[in-house]
Amino acid sequence: QVQLVQSGAEVKKPGASVKVSCKASGYTFTSYYMHWVRQAPGQGLEWMGIINPSGGSTSYAQKFQGRVTMTRDTSTSTVYMELSSLRSEDTAVYYCARDGTVAEPSYMDVWGKGTTVTVSS
Amino acid sequence: ETTLTQSPAFMSATPGDKVNISCKASQDIDDDMNWYQQKPGEAAIFIIQEATTLVPGISPRFSGSGYGTDFTLTINNIESEDAAYYFCLQHDNFPRTFGQGTKVEIK
Repeated sequence: QVQLVQSGAEVKKPGASVKVSCKASGYTFTSYYMHWVRQAPGQGLEWMGIINPSGGSTSYAQKFQGRVTMTRDTSTSTVYMELSSLRSEDTAVYYCARDGTVAEPSYMDVWGKGTTVTVSS
Repeated sequence: ETTLTQSPAFMSATPGDKVNISCKASQDIDDDMNWYQQKPGEAAIFIIQEATTLVPGISPRFSGSGYGTDFTLTINNIESEDAAYYFCLQHDNFPRTFGQGTKVEIK
């Protein structure tokens, strides 16, 4: 079955960077885009961006432009989301979510369980 | 950017109740609306696609309705296992946006 397994919780200091991984299995990794979404405590979900695992192209939400980088490793079927210049407001649970359609981005159909990132001095 | 206004933020239901959750879009999004269920510590589950289509494998107690700007998730004959956080997503345009979510408690 399709599974997305995310890396473990992280604690970072303000100004640092964090890199979260998401290992996919159960499907052809390069056929489906992958989204990244986050949820801060007490807040709603927020879309961060999307990566095409086939060619590596990305599109980021304007809010995160310049601070987020999404990459992929096709040899291990893993996507990564790196967020730099962390501040306390970046404390959140970060999710990867597979796009539900082949060829062009649409909606999320399968989600990871999330990775908690805490930014604290 | 399309804003989704989801309500209520919290609701408490009794087993057997019919529950409605609303999601209103700030602009016309056709039927590009999905609904998800999430329980603490678990991955979100995709339950309704294209506003009205039940995702295969999901209980038929769940249904969706709406088009354009007004959408509703309905849970018929609610059961204790339906206690969860529910959220809507629009995939009509970028950036993708979500409703603020609804926590459903079962008495």
